[in-house]
Amino acid sequence: GAGVSQSPRYKVAKRGQDVALRCDPISGHVSLFWYQQALGQGPEFLTYFQNEAQLDKSGLPSDRFFAERPEGSVSTLKIQRTQQEDSAVYLCASSADSVAGGGEQFFGPGTRLTVL
Amino acid sequence: GIQVEQSPPDLILQEGANSTLRCNFSDSVNNLQWFHQNPWGQLINLFYIPSGTKQNGRLSATTVATERYSLLYISSSQTTDSGVYFCAVGGGADGLTFGKGTHLIIQP
Repeated sequence: GAGVSQSPRYKVAKRGQDVALRCDPISGHVSLFWYQQALGQGPEFLTYFQNEAQLDKSGLPSDRFFAERPEGSVSTLKIQRTQQEDSAVYLCASSADSVAGGGEQFFGPGTRLTVL
Repeated sequence: GIQVEQSPPDLILQEGANSTLRCNFSDSVNNLQWFHQNPWGQLINLFYIPSGTKQNGRLSATTVATERYSLLYISSSQTTDSGVYFCAVGGGADGLTFGKGTHLIIQP
């Protein structure tokens, strides 16, 4: 079966532009996570969905970051008024487990965002 | 939150050598995963191992949850094993916490 997919794979934005990053989780997976990976660092947690409910958004760095999963499958991470410090790889992961952190997570290839 | 420390940060080995990567964590967890991040950035699942021992070919892993550490063993290293190895743990509702990784270089 297909793994987690993300689009676009690469995105270049001018400072101040809005961007939207898409994640298609593994079919049937209940849990979906977004992470941010800066160059040379490990991924850092941003937000967690269980089906369509956003249960944890404690990792979102500012109110310019917004995520949704309206039908409990595809998710979109939106960044408004992008800044240079938003440049990073954004990773999406999904898990069949309904307990955040408790089940094996599978990661997509990521979207590399560069803000000029 | 949970702290995750990986060692060594960098490791350079000759092809055919064996290696041991270590992951220490600061609190009890219900999820521990080892990943290999390839040069294209893809995180490849190696082991889901909150406790016990598992083996997959030349790779094996052991987690001693009561002592809060995990070990990843790579035997008979190949150049394709090069990359960054991450340990990640999860204990609750805030996803996985990753270590800084071990950068492994296997020289031919």
